[in-house]
Amino acid sequence: AQKITQTQPGMFVQEKEAVTLDCTYDTSDQSYGLFWYKQPSSGEMIFLIYQGSYDEQNATEGRYSLNFQKARKSANLVISASQLGDSAMYFCAMREGSLRRGSQGNLIFGKGTKLSVKP
Amino acid sequence: DSGVTQTPKHLITATGQRVTLRCSPRSGDLSVYWYQQSLDQGLQFLIQYYNGEERAKGNILERFSAQQFPDLHSELNLSSLELGDSALYFCASSPSGYRNTEAFFGQGTRLTVV
Repeated sequence: AQKITQTQPGMFVQEKEAVTLDCTYDTSDQSYGLFWYKQPSSGEMIFLIYQGSYDEQNATEGRYSLNFQKARKSANLVISASQLGDSAMYFCAMREGSLRRGSQGNLIFGKGTKLSVKP
Repeated sequence: DSGVTQTPKHLITATGQRVTLRCSPRSGDLSVYWYQQSLDQGLQFLIQYYNGEERAKGNILERFSAQQFPDLHSELNLSSLELGDSALYFCASSPSGYRNTEAFFGQGTRLTVV
């Protein structure tokens, strides 16, 4: 069964430093997609970054990058130059069959990591 | 702004009541997904609609139902509400097929059952 594991319930990082949030996944599918979302205290789910299982390059979006290690089934999120506004819950999610037309495509979420940025 | 609109943002109701949550997907997105986020269960997939038809079901209770209308907006109906149904309910939308690399969420509806 597909599963997402985030082993860090909480993390602290100093402002302006980089931080890595861990995510491992389990799937028997060859075609899948990995997502990271940010959920601030206000509650909304903000899409950060996407990595497809066939993408050869690690995804990057501004200060966010995804360290994708397919053989290890890990998809860690790296936030560079942390800002106070980065304090939030971060969720890793997986969608199977991302490249199959008509795939159902619902997301399976991990339990999240609460990141706190210290000034 | 994700482009996905959910109403209402907050809802307080009594046990045994019925409520309807509404979602308008991003322009052009045919798939709508409903998720429930609670403290004990985390984020759980409830149900998906694609172009008006039910496509997939997750951990959705029989007391809950949903539909997607011809204009692609969706409604999630929750009936015979219990205290444990208190949660944040999200709607998400995605493009179809090979562009299935995006999933944007609405701001959620926070339901409190008292």
